[in-house]
Amino acid sequence: QKEVEQNSGPLSVPEGAIASLNCTYSDRGSQSFFWYRQYSGKSPELIMFIYSNGDKEDGRFTAQLNKASQYVSLLIRDSQPSDSATYLCALGGSQGNLIFGKGTKLSVKP
Amino acid sequence: DTEVTQTPKHLVMGMTNKKSLKCEQHMGHRAMYWYKQKAKKPPELMFVYSYEKLSINESVPSRFSPECPNSSLLNLHLHALQPEDSALYLCASSQDKGTRFNQPQHFGDGTRLSIL
Repeated sequence: QKEVEQNSGPLSVPEGAIASLNCTYSDRGSQSFFWYRQYSGKSPELIMFIYSNGDKEDGRFTAQLNKASQYVSLLIRDSQPSDSATYLCALGGSQGNLIFGKGTKLSVKP
Repeated sequence: DTEVTQTPKHLVMGMTNKKSLKCEQHMGHRAMYWYKQKAKKPPELMFVYSYEKLSINESVPSRFSPECPNSSLLNLHLHALQPEDSALYLCASSQDKGTRFNQPQHFGDGTRLSIL
């Protein structure tokens, strides 16, 4: 049974700071990793996906994957109050499905 | 704006009603998914369709009945639901299921369902 662990937070950072969100997973064979952002009452929105060890950058977002240590992280640079949301880490299941962590609530204070 | 469209956005129904949730995508994706999300919980997979064939049914009660009429449409037929079925129902699609690597899934806005 694949499991995904996230700190539920809340994680509070000041505006302009770097927010660091972390996720660990149990299945060493997992190959696909995703970060979704979900605002309260809304549906999940894809932020990043990563397949290979190392960093992947897209604008203010950087996903980091370390398969040896079985963790994936999301860095948000220059955090804005509009980044305040729940961030869901997910890994790909064997049938194309997503297996989600419980999510980390991020609060960016002006 | 999302490229996966779900209707209706809200639905209130009694336990004896029959209703359907609809999902449509025009991205040419060949895999479509239904998830259920309760408040303050992550989405939970219900069904996976790949090339219009049901490939996963996550032990969902028979009062939920999925249908994939074509590659762009996905329905979820509801009958005799229970109050605990009240939740946000999310449809998602991806290019395909993926082989070694899963394809990113794109979610619709969801249907918020309340059972009286």
